[in-house]
Amino acid sequence: AQSVTQLGSHVSVSEGALVLLRCNYSSSVPPYLFWYVQYPNQGLQLLLKYTSAATLVKGINGFEAEFKKSETSFHLTKPSAHMSDAAEYFCAVKGGSYIPTFGRGTSLIVHP
Amino acid sequence: EAQVTQNPRYLITVTGKKLTVTCSQNMNHEYMSWYRQDPGLGLRQIYYSMNVEVTDKGDVPEGYKVSRKEKRNFPLILESPSPNQTSLYFCASSLMGGRAGVGELFFGEGSRLTVL
Repeated sequence: AQSVTQLGSHVSVSEGALVLLRCNYSSSVPPYLFWYVQYPNQGLQLLLKYTSAATLVKGINGFEAEFKKSETSFHLTKPSAHMSDAAEYFCAVKGGSYIPTFGRGTSLIVHP
Repeated sequence: EAQVTQNPRYLITVTGKKLTVTCSQNMNHEYMSWYRQDPGLGLRQIYYSMNVEVTDKGDVPEGYKVSRKEKRNFPLILESPSPNQTSLYFCASSLMGGRAGVGELFFGEGSRLTVL
């Protein structure tokens, strides 16, 4: 069985501030983990993925995420938020199945 | 260009009028899936397919049908739409098998359906 919990349905930051979006997972086997982003009126696109090669994963647009097995976490961070980062972010896990499980999403709001 | 194409992008219909949302991918992906997205509920899987002629129910299959006669196409059929099927629908595809098991999903742009 596998599941994902995203803490906080909405996260609000000021432009230039640190972005931290939280994701905790459960999986009965070593997981593959993903972050997707959905900009307004668009489909989801991949930000980054963890496939066991390295625990710190860098993605597009300056985002990165760190896999922490002991904490079963895969939090997404960006040092400095831009207005263009405002979007919905989804964490997903693939455990023993080819079928991913998605979290409920976190809406990132960026204030000028 | 690698892509997943859904049509229509927007549709308003009435209760009981059968409709089909088409989905096509040009990446030779084995796995295809349909999701619906509703406020506060995130993405919920409706149906998925791991290959031609192989389909399985997801978390919310009631009121929907799918078929996979060709590898590239995976249409979603609403035989008798009801207002509770008003939602934003996404089709997605990915590779499967071996290292491809780590493959990410590629999503279409979405189809916004309103059932009156």
